[in-house]
Amino acid sequence: DTGVSQNPRHKITKRGQNVTFRCDPISEHNRLYWYRQTLGQGPEFLTYFQNEAQLEKSRLLSDRFSAERPKGSFSTLEIQRTEQGDSAMYLCASSLDTRTGGNTIYFGEGSWLTVV
Amino acid sequence: KQEVTQIPAALSVPEGENLVLNCSFTDSAIYNLQWFRQDPGKGLTSLLLIQSSQREQTSGRLNASLDKSSGRSTLYIAASQPGDSATYLCAVNFGNEKLTFGTGTRLTIIP
Repeated sequence: DTGVSQNPRHKITKRGQNVTFRCDPISEHNRLYWYRQTLGQGPEFLTYFQNEAQLEKSRLLSDRFSAERPKGSFSTLEIQRTEQGDSAMYLCASSLDTRTGGNTIYFGEGSWLTVV
Repeated sequence: KQEVTQIPAALSVPEGENLVLNCSFTDSAIYNLQWFRQDPGKGLTSLLLIQSSQREQTSGRLNASLDKSSGRSTLYIAASQPGDSATYLCAVNFGNEKLTFGTGTRLTIIP
């Protein structure tokens, strides 16, 4: 098991362009999370999936953001019409169902987005 | 509002010393609490997970404690090493399926 994998690791894009990030969770994990982190801050929750169902979206997630997990395995996070304020590190995490035992949440290395 | 606070924001300690990092949270009805380490420009590495029913967890030189009634957790690092230099993040699961993070403590171990 290679852990949570994210790509690309770095993306520089011009304002107004669309970007997509991919996350491959730990294989047996049924929960997948997206967080966003800016410099000097802790990560902030964006959304999470239980298998293929998107169960919650933060108010931070504007209409320009969309996340999918079509087969309950990998997930994509797309940002349309990027703005400079979208510049951040986007972190993906996965876990087994935390309701039953409060299992550890494992994070990937993150995808850095710079909007110029 | 459910919040997590970590003070101080930065800490420098000579190599070999024991140290304690602090985390406080506003709502005692937590599900669990997790400590993470983050190296510059990198993702988060899980260090310890404490369930709401537990008082402490240990892994090697690390010991994390939890006092729900006072809304506090501590991460104790014994015999610190330069490789321990990183930002340490505390994250609380308030039972709503997501983690609420503090802003972290940036730890520097001085050789």
